[in-house]
Amino acid sequence: GPKVLQIPSHQIIDMGQMVTLNCDPVSNHLYFYWYKQILGQQMEFLVNFYNGKVMEKSKLFKDQFSVERPDGSYFTLKIQPTALEDSAVYFCASSAGLGGNTQYFGPGTRLLVL
Amino acid sequence: GQQVQQSPASLVLQEGENAELQCNFSTSLNSMQWFYQRPGGSLVSLFYNPSGTKHSGRLTSTTVIKERRSSLHISSSQTTDSGTYLCALDTNAYKVIFGKGTHLHVLP
Repeated sequence: GPKVLQIPSHQIIDMGQMVTLNCDPVSNHLYFYWYKQILGQQMEFLVNFYNGKVMEKSKLFKDQFSVERPDGSYFTLKIQPTALEDSAVYFCASSAGLGGNTQYFGPGTRLLVL
Repeated sequence: GQQVQQSPASLVLQEGENAELQCNFSTSLNSMQWFYQRPGGSLVSLFYNPSGTKHSGRLTSTTVIKERRSSLHISSSQTTDSGTYLCALDTNAYKVIFGKGTHLHVLP
């Protein structure tokens, strides 16, 4: 089936540094998402992105977070500066449309902030 | 409160037994998606089920919108079925809301 790729699979950084998580969505998809899952806890929605804009974000999507997809390349999540509580697995997803369209998930990027 | 409630929170089965996992939701539904999350964390999509019943091998998903519930039935469980099963509610907005999951452990 359709595949979403995420790069890197793991990232370890020092608190305060910037990190960029990359997502290669399914090629004809138009809607992109980021989710956060702290180890052993619930998957939580962060943000939905469409047509170059954030359409909806949760309270977990702090001011230090930003998303973009320049020129149809990777869909990225940037955290600047990082904090200890940002340690989690970040999952990217994409869908062809809204409501009624399956979201396809990537394998996740495991971020550890020291 | 929680818009998506999964039950049971955990389940231990003997290999060969059947399992019934429930997902109840309190908000409007566009569709329901069931995922299997491997112990390593990656997600496998099992069903995208807006309503009715769908089958895939030993798995069956049933969504009844007017009762605000969806279920996942696993027949003849195997040790390789062990992991976490997540239901995710596709709302009429731009996001998917996940339940907390059912942690399944199948003993040999």
